[in-house]
Amino acid sequence: DVKVTQSSRYLVKRTGEKVFLECVQDMDHENMFWYRQDPGLGLRLIYFSYDVKMKEKGDIPEGYSVSREKKERFSLILESASTNQTSMYLCASSEFTGLEAFFGQGTRLTVV
Amino acid sequence: AQSVAQPEDQVKVAEGNPLTVKCTYSVSGNPYLFWYVQYPNRGLQFLLKYITGDNLVKGSYGFEAEFNKSQTSFHLKKPSALVSDSALYFCAVRALYNFNKFYFGSGTKLNVKP
Repeated sequence: DVKVTQSSRYLVKRTGEKVFLECVQDMDHENMFWYRQDPGLGLRLIYFSYDVKMKEKGDIPEGYSVSREKKERFSLILESASTNQTSMYLCASSEFTGLEAFFGQGTRLTVV
Repeated sequence: AQSVAQPEDQVKVAEGNPLTVKCTYSVSGNPYLFWYVQYPNRGLQFLLKYITGDNLVKGSYGFEAEFNKSQTSFHLKKPSALVSDSALYFCAVRALYNFNKFYFGSGTKLNVKP
């Protein structure tokens, strides 16, 4: 079975801190995604990567950056956390063509 | 532009009754369509997908979905609901021409009452 693992289930950070959210997948998938989930807004794509060191902005990239140095790992970085970045963050991976995405368990981030 | 709409924020159904969760989509080219389920404080779990072929797709936990090209819909169905089906359901479309990005609907909360 495909496994996508996010480093933390719950995280509390202070405003202005630099925050790293890590995601690792074990199926050699080319594509990896970071989504943000807020009530009533569904899942919104922050960034995605289609190969090592390759990244593309999603719909809401402001305030975030990403890193993909190895195929299995995709990191989301909040350069200076703000309270409006309090949310559930979901990582996903998939093969390049046409198949479903597999999700991690999510990280609920609270910025105080 | 590609998009997914789930017109109902919440669906309530009695246990044992059939359920339908609605989804309509807009995408260029042939659609690749998916349904996911999310339980509280968890990630999304894949239920089923439509790629090509039969319009009725069967998935996990007794769920099925009907693809209707003329109505651009992909409604999720189950003949007999269980209380344990209560969860948040997301419809998604994959845009193959655009880096294979997934687009998700806003989600529908299914509440199955005993």
